[in-house]
Amino acid sequence: AQTVTQSQPEMSVQEAETVTLSCTYDTSESDYYLFWYKQPPSRQMILVIRQEAYKQQNATENRFSVNFQKAAKSFSLKISDSQLGDAAMYFCAYRSKNGNKLVFGAGTILRVKS
Amino acid sequence: DAGVIQSPRHEVTEMGQEVTLRCKPISGHNSLFWYRQTMMRGLELLIYFNNNVPIDDSGMPEDRFSAKMPNASFSTLKIQPSEPRDSAVYFCASSLQGADTQYFGPGTRLTVL
Repeated sequence: AQTVTQSQPEMSVQEAETVTLSCTYDTSESDYYLFWYKQPPSRQMILVIRQEAYKQQNATENRFSVNFQKAAKSFSLKISDSQLGDAAMYFCAYRSKNGNKLVFGAGTILRVKS
Repeated sequence: DAGVIQSPRHEVTEMGQEVTLRCKPISGHNSLFWYRQTMMRGLELLIYFNNNVPIDDSGMPEDRFSAKMPNASFSTLKIQPSEPRDSAVYFCASSLQGADTQYFGPGTRLTVL
């Protein structure tokens, strides 16, 4: 069974600075998808970014980018120019290419200081 | 476009009562998922449907939980009888079948006293 590990329960970043959230996963599959979801205090789960495992190029979405290291089974999220609105719980998630189930990590709370 | 709609947003009930949570997926999406979020267990999949048919209910905790999808635009998750340990946030998500991205509703916060 696949597992997702987020080893940082909590992180802090100064406004306008850059922060990196870590995620590792375990799988025997070669093709899959990885995601980062953001959960602000409103509880809404918001998709931040997605990565297809067969694509070597790291995904980017504006200030959000990932460092996908397939061999190391690592999928970190970098947030540049952090804003107060980035404060939230961030979840890393895995999905098999041929499956439907999302497997989530435990989450990392990100605090942004002004 | 409207996103995934869940109701109610908050539910407080007493132990032993029946609870019904409702979900309307994004129009056109034919896969629907029910997740539960707790402090102890994090986010876990309870059940999912493809084209209104339950495909995997292995995450349903016990027989007190049941889910239905009578049509493409509506699903329910029922707990009968409810217990305090069922207190959690329940999320519904939908996607196009075979698509990789699931879109989540706002969740229902259930408190069982």
